[in-house]
Amino acid sequence: ETGVTQSPTHLIKTRGQQVTLRCSSQSGHNTVSWYQQALGQGPQFIFQYYREEENGRGNFPPRFSGLQFPNYSSELNVNALELDDSALYLCASSHRGTPNEQYFGPGTRLTVT
Amino acid sequence: AQTVTQSQPEMSVQEAETVTLSCTYDTSESDYYLFWYKQPPSRQMILVIRQEAYKQQNATENRFSVNFQKAAKSFSLKISDSQLGDAAMYFCAYRSANYGQNFVFGPGTRLSVLP
Repeated sequence: ETGVTQSPTHLIKTRGQQVTLRCSSQSGHNTVSWYQQALGQGPQFIFQYYREEENGRGNFPPRFSGLQFPNYSSELNVNALELDDSALYLCASSHRGTPNEQYFGPGTRLTVT
Repeated sequence: AQTVTQSQPEMSVQEAETVTLSCTYDTSESDYYLFWYKQPPSRQMILVIRQEAYKQQNATENRFSVNFQKAAKSFSLKISDSQLGDAAMYFCAYRSANYGQNFVFGPGTRLSVLP
């Protein structure tokens, strides 16, 4: 167990809808990163939040957005869902000073129909 | 941009035998970190082993060891005395030492362990 939890475990949405995924980081971890893992592929970096501000983004459009809260929880929001958004979404928490120590959650499986 | 390649989509090994998973990467940087992560069916990514590029000595963690060839940009994982619990997806990952950089993952290798 990594101490990182995600909810929900599974989710089914319709194209065009909006979705919010949640992550609860390890206590004391002030940095959270989100990854998208399409079926049969490795995780792709979406963005990172540090002290409630976006601190780096991968090659994802603005309809992917996030929030980080002072209680070490965070959200990933995706607007205008597309079929290609179907994937496993992973969050990983770490402390700013130890970026190599990233602890992953079990992920949320999103299916867009 | 950095890329990570794993040329073996699937591998299998007999229980108690040794298997080696391959990984190559492309980067113009000299200072970076390399990782092997395991993702079992439970989906939770678990760190197996980490290597700092500035260290010549290969990292080892119990039954897991790496062969790090910096000039060849190669980073293979050797699993000795394979156990049924080793069956999982294995991902090779790269992280730049530059501040604020995140992980770049390879496509993964699915390892099956045969009893």
